[in-house]
Amino acid sequence: QVQLQESGPGLVKPSETLSLTCTVSGGSISSYYGSWIRQPPGKGLEWIGYIYASGSTNYNPSLKSRVAISIDISKNQFSLRLSSVTAADTAVYYCARQGAYTLLDYWGQGTLVTVSS
Amino acid sequence: DIQMTQSPSSLSASVGDRVTITCRASQSISNSLNWYQHKPGTAPKVVIYVASSLQSGVPSRFSGSGSGTDFTLTISGLQPEDFASYYCQQSYSTPYTFGQGTKLEIK
Repeated sequence: QVQLQESGPGLVKPSETLSLTCTVSGGSISSYYGSWIRQPPGKGLEWIGYIYASGSTNYNPSLKSRVAISIDISKNQFSLRLSSVTAADTAVYYCARQGAYTLLDYWGQGTLVTVSS
Repeated sequence: DIQMTQSPSSLSASVGDRVTITCRASQSISNSLNWYQHKPGTAPKVVIYVASSLQSGVPSRFSGSGSGTDFTLTISGLQPEDFASYYCQQSYSTPYTFGQGTKLEIK
């Protein structure tokens, strides 16, 4: 059974960089896309972007200037960096595997990141 | 961006009821519409993909329909484990976008 787990600091200071890692178990990430999605408190889901095993990326234009997603096939991990964070970036961050039909078929349970001094 | 409008935002129902959630896209997305079930503190789970295909392991009381701009998710014979939030998502083009969600609560 494929499982994804997000990890990283739960508290980030304003203007700093948020960094999260998604570890995939039960299957290789090498033939799939890895996506990041977030949900601010009381708000809807927002797709942040994805990376393919080759390293090619696609980002939401609303965040593109601040986002970088990378992948480490050897560790079966992909990572998110979001720079110059503000309180508006406080959210539960999810990683997900994107499989056939561009479906987000497996998700992590999410990790809350709070931006506060 | 393609806007996804989901309704209702909340819904109270009883075990055994039949409920329908709708999702409308701001432009045609063919059948590139997925439905997810989400319970607090857990990983969201696919219930329906490409508008009407039932994800493996999901009970047959879940069904989806629609194409173009209008889609529905129907749960026939609600079970206690079905009370959760449901989100539609278009995978037609990036940026992928989601509906605002429907919280299904026990009456």
